[in-house]
Amino acid sequence: YELTQPLSVSVALGQTARITCGGNDIGNKNVHWYQQRPGQAPVLVIYRDTSRPSGIPERFSGSTSGNTATLTISRAQAGDEADYYCQVWDSSSVFGGGTKLTVL
Amino acid sequence: QVQLQESGPGLVKPSQTLSLTCTVSGGSISSGGYYWSWIRQHPGKGLEWIGYIYHSGSTYYNPSLKSRVTISVDTSKNQFSLKLTSVTAADTAVYYCARDGGGGGYLDYWGQGTLVPVSS
Repeated sequence: YELTQPLSVSVALGQTARITCGGNDIGNKNVHWYQQRPGQAPVLVIYRDTSRPSGIPERFSGSTSGNTATLTISRAQAGDEADYYCQVWDSSSVFGGGTKLTVL
Repeated sequence: QVQLQESGPGLVKPSQTLSLTCTVSGGSISSGGYYWSWIRQHPGKGLEWIGYIYHSGSTYYNPSLKSRVTISVDTSKNQFSLKLTSVTAADTAVYYCARDGGGGGYLDYWGQGTLVPVSS
C-alpha cells in the first residue's frame, strides 16, 4: 500500500495550508498525521482522520474523502514550518513520503 | 506523562546485530491497551515502521524487515527491545521507539531517537 504526498507546500504567513495524502480508498482507513521539526522526533497532530491530541492547536484539522486525506493548517505560523507525514494501517503501518511545509 | 528513551551502542559493524532498548516511564507496559513500536528514519528520508509488541509478547513486523527483526519485552524493567540482524550500511538510520494507541494505530508518544551508524 502506498501513500503519496507532495514533496513541498508553501503558504504565506497567516494563510491556510493544505497538505494532501493520496492512497487507494484512503477514505475507508484511519489516517494519522505527524509534524516533525528538524532534529526532533515526530509529533502526532491528527489521529483517526479528524481528532486532535491534547495540546495541538485548533488550527490543525484533518479530513478524508475518497482517495485523498488532507491536513489543513489555518492561520499558518512560522513555527509550523516542518515536515508532515501521513500514516495508515494496511497489513502493516505505512507512512507517506512526507511534505515539507514552508511558511513565507 | 509517558516518556520513552532509546539506548544502545552508537555504532554497529556490517553483518553484526543492531540492538536497542526503549525504557518507558510514566506508564506501565504491563497495564495493557497499547502496543510498543519501533520506527526508523534513514538520513534525510521519511519514516519506516519496523514493528510492534504487546505486553503479552505478541509481535507484528513490517514484512520487508521481518526476516531480520526481533522485538521483545521485559515488563519487569518496563522496557522493550529491538534486534536487527545482518546489518548493512542501508540500516544506518535514526531509530525511534513509540507507543501505539491501538495496534497499527496512531503513535502518540515517541522517544527522542538515536542515530545508529553501520560502519566498519
